[in-house]
Formats: sequence, C-alpha cells, structure tokens
Amino acid sequence: GENVEQHPSTLSVQEGDSAVIKCTYSDSASNYFPWYKQELGKGPQLIIDIRSNVGEKKDQRIAVTLNKTAKHFSLHITETQPEDSAVYFCAAIPDSNYQLIWGAGTKLIIKP
Amino acid sequence: GAVVSQHPSWVICKSGTSVKIECRSLDFQATTMFWYRQFPKQSLMLMATSNEGSKATYEQGVEKDKFLINHASLTLSTLTVTSAHPEDSSFYICSAPRTGTRGYGYTFGSGTRLTVV
Repeated sequence: GENVEQHPSTLSVQEGDSAVIKCTYSDSASNYFPWYKQELGKGPQLIIDIRSNVGEKKDQRIAVTLNKTAKHFSLHITETQPEDSAVYFCAAIPDSNYQLIWGAGTKLIIKP
Repeated sequence: GAVVSQHPSWVICKSGTSVKIECRSLDFQATTMFWYRQFPKQSLMLMATSNEGSKATYEQGVEKDKFLINHASLTLSTLTVTSAHPEDSSFYICSAPRTGTRGYGYTFGSGTRLTVV
C-alpha cells in the first residue's frame, strides 16, 4: 500500500525566512496530494493541494511542487510569520481508494 | 465552504462510562465519514470509515465493540467510546469528503479531546 514519508520532523526558521517541508510517496498511482496545517487542539485545515497532472501550485505565500518521476512533493512557505507556527501534514490519496495516507507531520517553529 | 461541526470539543469522563462524539456536516451531505485518533505529537491514525446506511469499516486493531460508529443520516455520524479506560484518552477527529469530489475536498471537524480518569 501507499506510504508517505515526511521530513523534517521539526523545522525552526527565523521570521521572514522561507520554510520547506518535503514528502515522498511510494504508490505511483496516487493522484492527489494535500497539505494540512494543524494548530494545537484543533483539527487539520487544508492549506493547499495539488493533483498529479500539475507540477506546481501557488497561493500567496504558500506553494506546493510535485515531482511525479521522483515521487516527491514539497510545501514552500515564504516570508514566514509567527502565525505560521503549527504542525504541517502532507498526505496522498492512492488511486485505489480515497483514504488519506498521512505523513508523520512537521512542527514548524517561527522564531521572532 | 464545507463545514463539519464536531462536538464536544473536550470531555472528561470516569472509567467505565461511555462517551458519544458527534460530527455533523452543516452545508453538504456526508455519505462517508472518516474517524481518526491522534496521540500527542503523532500523525492521525484512521480508526474507521462510516458510510450512511451501512456498517462502518474498522481498521485492523480497532475494536468495533468498543468504538461504536453510527452514520444514520447524510449529515450526522457519531462515535461512541464504550466502557472508556484511561488508555482511550486521546484526540478524536472526524473528516468527510464533499459529495461528488471523490477523494478531494476533505473537511475536518475541530476535534474532541477525551480524557478518561
């Protein structure tokens, strides 16, 4: 079955700098890759997603890139702000079903 | 946008009692609801998938008699933790894909922090 690996587990960046979180997946049939932000004590919130027919997608300070050949996708946050501090999860959906397969999460810390 | 309302947000119960968690889709019909459990500093672990009008499908290792799931309508799914024990203390989250968007557009509830004392 599908397996998603996420790195790093913790990322600390200076406010205003960029943050990059990377994920790899194993099932080449996976076709949807969302990124979620989870604040303490809350449910995950979708921040951006990408489908397998697209290589890059951007939404203001957030972008996601997908390399289907290498089976990896990355989240890029530019001009980081204190409110970006949270745990970020990547996920993939195998074509065989529509269950989310989750990465282990990255705790992003924005230092003032 | 699609909203899933989850209640309660937190609950403390005594060992041996049962607790019901509700998830309602407010502006769409949720034919499927996923129930997750999340331990501190860990990722979400899928417990079961409920489908309106049919029995829930449980993941391996999840006791269906302990975690009762009911999906009686297109807008309501419930998870009941029966005979709760301290080891059941966790963060429980529901999620539903919007109808017609196979696998896409997942909406999550705000989570329920269960503490069993």
